[in-house]
Amino acid sequence: RKEVEQDPGPFNVPEGATVAFNCTYSNSASQSFFWYRQDCRKEPKLLMSVYSSGNEDGRFTAQLNRASQYISLLIRDSKLSDSATYLCVVIKTGANNLFFGTGTRLTVIP
Amino acid sequence: DTGVSQNPRHKITKRGQNVTFRCDPISEHNRLYWYRQTLGQGPEFLTYFQNEAQLEKSRLLSDRFSAERPKGSFSTLEIQRTEQGDSAMYLCASSLGDNTEAFFGQGTRLTVV
Repeated sequence: RKEVEQDPGPFNVPEGATVAFNCTYSNSASQSFFWYRQDCRKEPKLLMSVYSSGNEDGRFTAQLNRASQYISLLIRDSKLSDSATYLCVVIKTGANNLFFGTGTRLTVIP
Repeated sequence: DTGVSQNPRHKITKRGQNVTFRCDPISEHNRLYWYRQTLGQGPEFLTYFQNEAQLEKSRLLSDRFSAERPKGSFSTLEIQRTEQGDSAMYLCASSLGDNTEAFFGQGTRLTVV
């Protein structure tokens, strides 16, 4: 089983829509969680960290459910510029690397 | 520019040749990672350094792959006897410490012909 699993999509949504992505992780000892954004043929860039209590940054909300071992990303009022691949990232306690999901492709349509 | 820097940005090589990529991390970051990414996939972990020590290399794809970070600053990734299947984006990232986010360079895109 992969360390991190995501629905690859694609998700095609109209401008202004709300869209949510989920990501599951396999190891309960996972300790740190992030969402990264990757534009086509570019490097991944940190979008936001995910805290146990959940956190919000503008139109973006991230949540963590340790009991069910998943994290989520909610994007409200989607903009054309939100079109990208969103990568779920997990750091396992005692491990020395970041585990990436396959990524979920989002396209926001005018 | 104080971000992670990778060189070259693109590399085209003939099958069987050796290639070497360089990564300069953010200066105060002691952790450095190498990843490989192919189309439609997330970055795949290859190896990791804390300062000059290579603490994880079991996920290097084969013995043709090796990495160094001799002075705990820049790092190199070498692929010997390249194969067409090595064609991918090779990404370097650095981070400040335990459980912290990593910052990526723009990557080196390798094409083996």
